[in-house]
Amino acid sequence: EIVMTQSPATLSVSPGERATLSCRASQSVSSNLAWYQQKPGQAPRLLIYGASTRATGIPARFSGSGSGTEFTLSISSLQSEDFAVYYCQQYNNWPFTFGPGTEVDIK
Amino acid sequence: EVQLLESGGGLVQPGGSLRLSCAASGFSFSTFGMSWVRQAPGKGLEWVSAISSVGGSTVYADSVKGRFTISRDNSKNTLSLQMNSLRADDTAVYYCASKPGTWVTTFDYWGQGTLVTVSS
Repeated sequence: EIVMTQSPATLSVSPGERATLSCRASQSVSSNLAWYQQKPGQAPRLLIYGASTRATGIPARFSGSGSGTEFTLSISSLQSEDFAVYYCQQYNNWPFTFGPGTEVDIK
Repeated sequence: EVQLLESGGGLVQPGGSLRLSCAASGFSFSTFGMSWVRQAPGKGLEWVSAISSVGGSTVYADSVKGRFTISRDNSKNTLSLQMNSLRADDTAVYYCASKPGTWVTTFDYWGQGTLVTVSS
């Protein structure tokens, strides 16, 4: 099983600032990496797939990069609606696995 | 618009059984891969099981293999998860998720979830 780790566990950011979240895989997942956003009481929402492609309707302030074992999600200018938990997920091998999440909260 | 509506959650005793359903609408169900993903209270996401678009192939997480069975009825646009021999660590919100194509890879569409509580 591929183990996904995320850092930091919590990221405190002021509105309008940039946020950078990291995700690491225990072995290469090529570019088969997705990012999700989850707000309290809601289902997750797909943000990024293929490591860097935004899903339909996702604002351009969200961007993803990386390949192999190291990945980054960047949010260029945090809006109030962006404060949430973010998960990465690999789909290179079964079982598909998620990282433990990074909570982005208001500084 | 893709809509997924889970049902069937509730309180069950350890060792008991429960059957979850996911009613799909707004898309061609038989052309989407489907999956179940769960989230224990206050915890992260865990993929549980997946089934191919035509239902001929299934995959399970080791944590549920031999206890859970995923199935689908493409004539009724319904996904199911039969859960047997339930344990306390199966307590979670269970989401059904879907993606166009034979298999899910990413989880493009999600239901609102149904809570399963395993407790005596």
